[in-house]
Amino acid sequence: DAGVTQSPTHLIKTRGQQVTLRCSPKSGHDTVSWYQQALGQGPQFIFQYYEEEERQRGNFPDRFSGHQFPNYSSELNVNALLLGDSALYLCASSLGDGLRTEAFFGQGTRLTVV
Amino acid sequence: AQKITQTQPGMFVQEKEAVTLDCTYDTSDQSYGLFWYKQPSSGEMIFLIYQGSYDEQNATEGRYSLNFQKARKSANLVISASQLGDSAMYFCAMREAPGGGKLIFGQGTELSVKP
Repeated sequence: DAGVTQSPTHLIKTRGQQVTLRCSPKSGHDTVSWYQQALGQGPQFIFQYYEEEERQRGNFPDRFSGHQFPNYSSELNVNALLLGDSALYLCASSLGDGLRTEAFFGQGTRLTVV
Repeated sequence: AQKITQTQPGMFVQEKEAVTLDCTYDTSDQSYGLFWYKQPSSGEMIFLIYQGSYDEQNATEGRYSLNFQKARKSANLVISASQLGDSAMYFCAMREAPGGGKLIFGQGTELSVKP
C-alpha cells in the first residue's frame, strides 16, 4: 500500500514564476492538507481540501491556491514566486479530520526560488 | 501568540539512555489533541504518539510515552532506551476541536543520539 507520494522531490524556480506541486494521498484517504516548512522551522498549515473544496485555510496570501481532483489527489499552485517561498512543502492525507485522526505525510517537495 | 512551544533547539543523549523532549501549548479550548512527529533528514513526518485532552492515562507507544500535565499545559515526549536511529527532528503539534483538522506545530527539537 503506497503512502503519500509527492512530486517533484526537488524544484528550482526563478522569482516571479509559477509552480505546481502534486500530491497523491494514501489509499482510502479523502482529505489532503498542505504545509510549508521553512528551513529550521516547524510546518505551517496552508490549506485543506475535502470533496474537491477548500475547507480550511491558513494565513497564506492568495498567491497560494490549490485543487483536489475526484480521485482525491491534490495540487498546490504558487504564483509570482518570492525568494521567501523557498521551503519544503509537505502534503498530508487523512480519512476525515477528527481530533484523533492521524495525518500521514509525504516526503515533501523542496522548492528553491532564486 | 505561539500556540506550541518547544524550548530545546537541540538535545544530545547517550545510546540506550532515556531522553525527555519538552512541549508546552496554549489553547482556550477544552477539547484538543496533542501529537508528536519525528522528521528524519528525508523530510517525511512520522507519527509517533497521540494524547487527547480528555484522556486520563498518559499515552504510550512502544519506547515512546507522553508525560501529559494538563494543568501545566505540557506534553513532554519521553523516549526510552535511545537508539542511533532516533537521531532526527521532533515536532510537537496540536489540533483544536474547532480547528477543522489543521495541525499547529512547534519549532522542533533536534535530537542527536551518541554511540
